[in-house]
Amino acid sequence: GNSVTQMEGPVTLSEEAFLTINCTYTATGYPSLFWYVQYPGEGLQLLLKATKADDKGSNKGFEATYRKETTSFHLEKGSVQVSDSAVYFCALSDLFSGGYNKLIFGAGTRLAVHP
Amino acid sequence: EAGVTQFPSHSVIEKGQTVTLRCDPISGHDNLYWYRRVMGKEIKFLLHFVKESKQDESGMPNNRFLAERTGGTYSTLKVQPAELEDSGVYFCASSLRRGATNEKLFFGSGTQLSVL
Repeated sequence: GNSVTQMEGPVTLSEEAFLTINCTYTATGYPSLFWYVQYPGEGLQLLLKATKADDKGSNKGFEATYRKETTSFHLEKGSVQVSDSAVYFCALSDLFSGGYNKLIFGAGTRLAVHP
Repeated sequence: EAGVTQFPSHSVIEKGQTVTLRCDPISGHDNLYWYRRVMGKEIKFLLHFVKESKQDESGMPNNRFLAERTGGTYSTLKVQPAELEDSGVYFCASSLRRGATNEKLFFGSGTQLSVL
């Protein structure tokens, strides 16, 4: 079945450091891929998405590229800020096995950025 | 415009008791989803309503869980009787239309359930 694996946290970085959070997936169909973020005390928010191979999603300085050959969707940011501290979830959905909003999530990666 | 609202934000109950969680989706959103995150692990799909109808309840763990959405507006998720392994964060989400790849899913901030 479909699944998502992401790197375990917590990830602790200094402000302005480079961020990578790895995400790989297993899917039988043609999934759409997502990164969601949960800031402290808030709900999940869509950070970025990609719906087909080689697409790059980007938002707020974050980006991720849909790599079909490596079944990956790694999240990157060139210079993190303290305000980026949150839990990041990689997710996929497959229109043919549940629908676009029936998401399969990874376990989440907590990011802590220090001044 | 109000977002997805969940009540309560936290609930602490004893094993064997009943708890009812509520979700108010964004007004006009036909699609309502329940997800949960147990023990800091993956967030898992529970079920999907389209208006008042259960479209997909394949993620419901067992018959101790009952979800309703009378009138197609707010939804409740009742756990009866609660067990220790039901502890976790229960998220609700809503969207306007189903299936479109540009459809945005809006999440509530979740209900933290602790079963002691």
